Amino acid sequence: DAGVIQSPRHEVTEMGQEVTLRCKPISGHDYLFWYRQTMMRGLELLIYFNNNVPIDDSGMPEDRFSAKMPNASFSTLKIQPSEPRDSAVYFCASSSSDRVENTGELFFGEGSRLTVL
Amino acid sequence: SQQGEEDPQALSIQEGENATMNCSYKTSINNLQWYRQNSGRGLVHLILIRSNEREKHSGRLRVTLDTSKKSSSLLITASRAADTASYFCATDASPRGRNQFYFGTGTSLTVIP
Repeated sequence: DAGVIQSPRHEVTEMGQEVTLRCKPISGHDYLFWYRQTMMRGLELLIYFNNNVPIDDSGMPEDRFSAKMPNASFSTLKIQPSEPRDSAVYFCASSSSDRVENTGELFFGEGSRLTVL
Repeated sequence: SQQGEEDPQALSIQEGENATMNCSYKTSINNLQWYRQNSGRGLVHLILIRSNEREKHSGRLRVTLDTSKKSSSLLITASRAADTASYFCATDASPRGRNQFYFGTGTSLTVIP
């Protein structure tokens, strides 16, 4: 299996621009999580989906952030407009119900490093 | 916040020594996990310990959980240079069926060859 695939791996953009991060979860997984990692705040859970439905988006910092999961094999995290404080590494992780219940194991992608100038 | 806190923030040891990292959390949990992150990479799951367990082993890893103190420790025995990474604890306090995993800020481990 190819694992969780994220794109782009690196993005540099200017303040005010729209940023779209993409994630392809592992086939068969029904849970998908978006995390943000910074030195100051560590890993923050932004939102997670179960069977393509957003379950909890209380971690989404502002209305500028939105996430969608139109089907089981694709999710996007969009920031519009972007600000310098959004600079971070954004991780997508997926898992299956039985793994989540039995081992709690999440499978992480390699992350998308975002720099907003 | 449910987020765990690891201690120490950074740890440097010689190859062959044991490394101990601690995690404290604030509310009751269902389970606690440890993850590893190599520089510039995603996190990799190491081990899970449930709230009714006190100790668990996996290879050179030993995890303990003290729910009365709301703390856990990860011991890596006979460390190797390849163990150099950041280690995170993640807690799950969510009601059944709602899986929300909260990570700490991590311990950066350096194993010197």
